[in-house]
Amino acid sequence: EAEVAQSPRYKITEKSQAVAFWCDPISGHATLYWYRQILGQGPELLVQFQDESVVDDSQLPKDRFSAERLKGVDSTLKIQPAELGDSAMYLCASSPRGETQYFGPGTRLLVL
Amino acid sequence: AQKVTQAQTEISVVEKEDVTLDCVYETRDTTYYLFWYKQPPSGELVFLIRRNSFDEQNEISGRYSWNFQKSTSSFNFTITASQVVDSAVYFCALLWGGANFGNEKLTFGTGTRLTIIP
Repeated sequence: EAEVAQSPRYKITEKSQAVAFWCDPISGHATLYWYRQILGQGPELLVQFQDESVVDDSQLPKDRFSAERLKGVDSTLKIQPAELGDSAMYLCASSPRGETQYFGPGTRLLVL
Repeated sequence: AQKVTQAQTEISVVEKEDVTLDCVYETRDTTYYLFWYKQPPSGELVFLIRRNSFDEQNEISGRYSWNFQKSTSSFNFTITASQVVDSAVYFCALLWGGANFGNEKLTFGTGTRLTIIP
């Protein structure tokens, strides 16, 4: 069964450092999403891609976060510099156009 | 505004008991989808079910069943004969904005942590 892949699964970093997360969606899924999930809360959308284009990054803190999906397949989310408040689970999801979103295993980030 | 409310923060039941997780939603869209996801301790969100706004038929899948009532804007989830493996956080979610293809948004509730006691 096809799955969304994410790496790394866990990341510990010090504040002010740069971190990067990678996501490989299910093959053929045009839409890719990055979510942030703070402990005890539901996921919240950071950025949404349709193929290689950003369709929504209104909740992405653009002063420190960036995301790209250059060839419309896999994607990278970067934080530079990381802050203590960025500690969270970062989830990637993909879907066929406008349908059910399937999630990857997530990356747990701890900023010290 | 689109909103999903899961009023039950935590529920504990003894194994083999039935348990119902509540979900109430708000939306102005006439076309929308409702979902339930399971998040075990490993962290991955596992898709359980999708329902569209025009289909109020209840659904049963093994020990799981879902009751969708548009009149009360609710989409409740029942686990029959619960098992320890059902212990997880369960999220209800609303997919809206379907009138603008490519801009659909998924809004999650805050989740219900379910603990099944052996």
